[in-house]
Amino acid sequence: DVKVTQSSRYLVKRTGEKVFLECVQDMDHENMFWYRQDPGLGLRLIYFSYDVKMKEKGDIPEGYSVSREKKERFSLILESASTNQTSMYLCASSGRTGHLEQFFGPGTRLTVL
Amino acid sequence: AQTVTQSQPEMSVQEAETVTLSCTYDTSESNYYLFWYKQPPSRQMILVIRQEAYKQQNATENRFSVNFQKAAKSFSLKISDSQLGDTAMYFCAFMKPFTGNQFYFGTGTSLTVIP
Repeated sequence: DVKVTQSSRYLVKRTGEKVFLECVQDMDHENMFWYRQDPGLGLRLIYFSYDVKMKEKGDIPEGYSVSREKKERFSLILESASTNQTSMYLCASSGRTGHLEQFFGPGTRLTVL
Repeated sequence: AQTVTQSQPEMSVQEAETVTLSCTYDTSESNYYLFWYKQPPSRQMILVIRQEAYKQQNATENRFSVNFQKAAKSFSLKISDSQLGDTAMYFCAFMKPFTGNQFYFGTGTSLTVIP
């Protein structure tokens, strides 16, 4: 059974803290994605990676960075968390061939106080 | 950038009835993929159905089917014999291959199935 896991379901941090969100997939997928989901705004792409050590900015990269040192792991970093980064964060992965669908993790609900 | 529009923020349907969720998209590409995803309350996002733009035949998966109108850039989802478990947020998504397979999502339609 294919799986995308995220390190935390719920996370509470304080303004100014450095926050790490981890995502791991076991499907040997080349592509990995980080989204944030907010009511009425749908899913907005923060960053994606199409290979190890490669990254591309999505639609809302400001305030975020990413790291992909291994194929199965894609980390999202909030260098200095702010209250407007309170949101649901979703990780996804997909292959380069085949049906091309994205497989999603369960999400991390981050609250920044 | 591609845009995907879901004009119905909320919908409801009686159990066992049929409901259609709308989705339109804007692109100049000829080769692309379209998807519908389902996100039940507090649960993981899962794929409902996919459609390749080069295929004229509408995709079907059990009670779920699509009406793909390429010229009109429309991709609606029909759910037949609605069940309580269909209550969820539904997202339409567009993908152009070979660009890192980046997806573009609509803002979602919240569907409630009423017993």
